[in-house]
Amino acid sequence: EDQVTQSPEALRLQEGESSSLNCSYTVSGLRGLFWYRQDPGKGPEFLFTLYSAGEEKEKERLKATLTKKESFLHITAPKPEDSATYLCAVQAVGSARQLTFGSGTQLTVLP
Amino acid sequence: EAQVTQNPRYLITVTGKKLTVTCSQNMNHEYMSWYRQDPGLGLRQIYYSMNVEVTDKGDVPEGYKVSRKEKRNFPLILESPSPNQTSLYFCASSFVSGGPLSGRAAVDEQFFGPGTRLTVL
Repeated sequence: EDQVTQSPEALRLQEGESSSLNCSYTVSGLRGLFWYRQDPGKGPEFLFTLYSAGEEKEKERLKATLTKKESFLHITAPKPEDSATYLCAVQAVGSARQLTFGSGTQLTVLP
Repeated sequence: EAQVTQNPRYLITVTGKKLTVTCSQNMNHEYMSWYRQDPGLGLRQIYYSMNVEVTDKGDVPEGYKVSRKEKRNFPLILESPSPNQTSLYFCASSFVSGGPLSGRAAVDEQFFGPGTRLTVL
């Protein structure tokens, strides 16, 4: 059974204080790992897809990386508008019609 | 504007009273899906559809029904709602790579609707 564990559950940062969110996964053959951002009261919004270990993708202050067991979402010099819940999801080669989501990390960036 | 819409956004109902939550997308996506989101449990898939007239169970299908008669619409039906179906529901859609009905079909980035908060008393 595919499993995704995100840590920490919640993270509070001061504006400009860089940090990383972790997504550990167990999957029988990874096709893709997805990162989404979810603002309160809204649906998740797609950020990145990573397909192979060593791959990195960047968008503004966010950079996602992937190893064979985990993915990191690095946030550099965050701003209050980066406050949101960040969700990680994996897609297995054998069941590429579905995603398994983690419970998310709730990030709060204080001004 | 490309979007996924859901209606209603909020619904309070009583046990046993049938209800339907509608979902519509305007991006010509083959794939549509329903999720429920509960605190500490993350997003769990209820049903998904790879194309018109093709639906499959997700991880938590009990107590739910879906239909896919048109490509753009994917309603979620609760025939006899119970309090344990109180949750936040999201519809999502996506293109499919590899051909929607092939053995190599794979879902790409999903676009989510705004959510429907359902309370069953």
